[in-house]
Amino acid sequence: EVQLVESGGGLVQPGRSLRLSCAASGFNLDDYAMHWLRQAPGKGLEWVSGISWNSGKIDYADSVRGRFTISRDNAKNSLYLDMNSLRPEDTAVYYCARAFPFLEYFQHWGPGTRVNISS
Amino acid sequence: DIQMTQSPSSLSASVGGRVTITCRASQDISNSLAWYQHKPGRAPKLLLYAASTLESGVSSKFSGSASGTDYTLIISSLQPEDFATYFCQQYYTSPYTFGQGTKLEIK
Repeated sequence: EVQLVESGGGLVQPGRSLRLSCAASGFNLDDYAMHWLRQAPGKGLEWVSGISWNSGKIDYADSVRGRFTISRDNAKNSLYLDMNSLRPEDTAVYYCARAFPFLEYFQHWGPGTRVNISS
Repeated sequence: DIQMTQSPSSLSASVGGRVTITCRASQDISNSLAWYQHKPGRAPKLLLYAASTLESGVSSKFSGSASGTDYTLIISSLQPEDFATYFCQQYYTSPYTFGQGTKLEIK
C-alpha cells in the first residue's frame, strides 16, 4: 500500500526556517516525481514545488521561489522541503504527493502537516 | 498562470441524489484535468484524470466530462461518505493550479 506521511510542521516566527519531511513507503520512490502542495486556512489548494525522480528537474511556485528548496533522498525514501524566510502567508497545511509518471496529477497524497507562521 | 474557476463553492444534496460540479479553465488545457475528493484531516483522493478517466478503485458513481474549456464532475447515488469537498486541478502546464473547491453537504 502506498503511504506518504509528512512531518516537521509547527509554530514558527516570521523570518525563521523550517524543514518538512515526507516519508514514503509501499513503492519505489525513485520511480516517481514528487511534489509539495499546501492549503492555507479558508483557501484553495496551491501547488508549491515539484522534483523529478532523479532531482534533474525542479520547479517552484513564484510565491516560494528563492525561499523554499525541495530535495529528495531516494535511498532514504524521503522527500524534503526546506522553507526559509517564512512569512505569515506561508501558514497552511502542507501535503506531499506522488505524481503519475510524466503527467503532473497527484495519485497519492499524505494527510498533511500544519505550519503556522506567527509571532 | 491558468486560472481554474470552480462552481458552485458549496451545495446541499440529499442521500441518493445527484450533483454536478463545474470547472472552467482560463485557456485550453487539452483535457489535462483531474478531480479530487477531500475530507477534513485526510489525504485528498484522486477520482478522475484526463477529464473523464476513472482512477483505479474509484466508484463508477463518479464521472467526468469536458466541453471546450469547461469540465464537469457528476456524482450520482449520493451516500453519506460522499459528502466532502471536491476540487479540480489542471496539469497541462506549471504552475499546476486548482479550483477553489466545492463543499458538498447533506441536505
